[in-house]
Order: sequence, then C-alpha cells, then structure tokens
Amino acid sequence: GEDVEQSLFLSVREGDSSVINCTYTDSSSTYLYWYKQEPGAGLQLLTYIFSNMDMKQDQRLTVLLNKKDKHLSLRIADTQTGDSAIYFCAETRDDKIIFGKGTRLHILP
Amino acid sequence: EAGVAQSPRYKIIEKRQSVAFWCNPISGHATLYWYQQILGQGPKLLIQFQNNGVVDDSQLPKDRFSAERLKGVDSTLKIQPAKLEDSAVYLCASSLEDHAGYEQFFGPGTRLTVL
Repeated sequence: GEDVEQSLFLSVREGDSSVINCTYTDSSSTYLYWYKQEPGAGLQLLTYIFSNMDMKQDQRLTVLLNKKDKHLSLRIADTQTGDSAIYFCAETRDDKIIFGKGTRLHILP
Repeated sequence: EAGVAQSPRYKIIEKRQSVAFWCNPISGHATLYWYQQILGQGPKLLIQFQNNGVVDDSQLPKDRFSAERLKGVDSTLKIQPAKLEDSAVYLCASSLEDHAGYEQFFGPGTRLTVL
C-alpha cells in the first residue's frame, strides 16, 4: 500500500520550536497519531487527534491537521534535550495503525 | 502499573537457526500485537491477537514465522529458520481492546541480529 511520508531528520536548537511534518494516505483515518521512540525503547504515544479536529494542543505540543491535503504536523515548543528521539506519524487504516518511517529529531546546544 | 515486558532484549543467531521471543502484556489487556521494525523504518504489524485468537496475521511470513498466545496472556513469536533479512527489532504491544481508538502500549523490543 501507499506509505505514510515524513522527513527523516530534523535539527533544532535548544529552546526553539520543532515542527515535524507528515503526509498520510487514508482520508478515512479516524485517528492520527504521533509516537515517540527513545534509543533502546519501544514506542510511546505522544498525542493523537481525531479526524474531525483541526488542531489539538497539549502543553508544549501542538498538532495541526489538514484533511484536504492529508497533512499532519507536530510542533514542539521550547525544544529540550530530552525531546531528542525519533517521532513517528501514524494513521489508522482498516482499524490498524500504519506508521511512517520516523523523523529523527536532533537538538543542537 | 507494570508495562509490557519482553525477553530477551538482544539476540544474535546465525542464518537458518531458530529463535523465539516472549512477551507479557499489561494485565487485563485483551489485544496483543507483534511488530517488526527494520532499521530506519516504522513498525510493521506481523500479527494481532484478541485474547487467544488471531485477528490478523496477513503480514506474517507463515513459512518461517509462527506465534501463539495459548492462555490469552503471554505470547511467543518464533522464527524458524531465520534469514538475514529478519534482522530487526521485534516489538510487542498490548491494548485494552481491539480497536484503533485504544492506546497501544509498547514493550522495549527484542533486537535480533542474524549473521
């Protein structure tokens, strides 16, 4: 099937905002997710958004959803060294979760 | 609350050998998933159990991979015989129910290297 697309790398200075972008494939996806994976660990659900929403904010995290373009973004405000990880965008397809390849976020001092 | 447990954390084998991975999901979680995560890629679902029944194994290479969840709790995933391309991290996840709206909780994974 088609792939969930996201850029592979992002470098951001500590204290700046990080924006990770994703293009998904299934316009009927009910939920769209952002997962975080730290080195040597499994995935952790960071946040999700229902398909009937345009935006969701949770502390330093802001998710924007553009259903027309099937575009999802994750903004991390005031990026910290602890945010260094791989971030996976995921969509629901046939009640299964389909992951992108992940964006590695690197924090510059 | 204890998370999803997996063992071993690392395994190195030679091609054509057999290997087995074990997963203990979060207590009370009816749904258990095995994912394969190849380096540089996102997790790919191999098999999904609801209690001790298989819901979806469409992406499981059944000529060499098998999985079971006999009592609806723990699960094992076996590869026999292993190929070089099986080198990956094998992630186990569990959720309360079989629906994408329920959060999946992931274990730390087993990193398999096939030489």
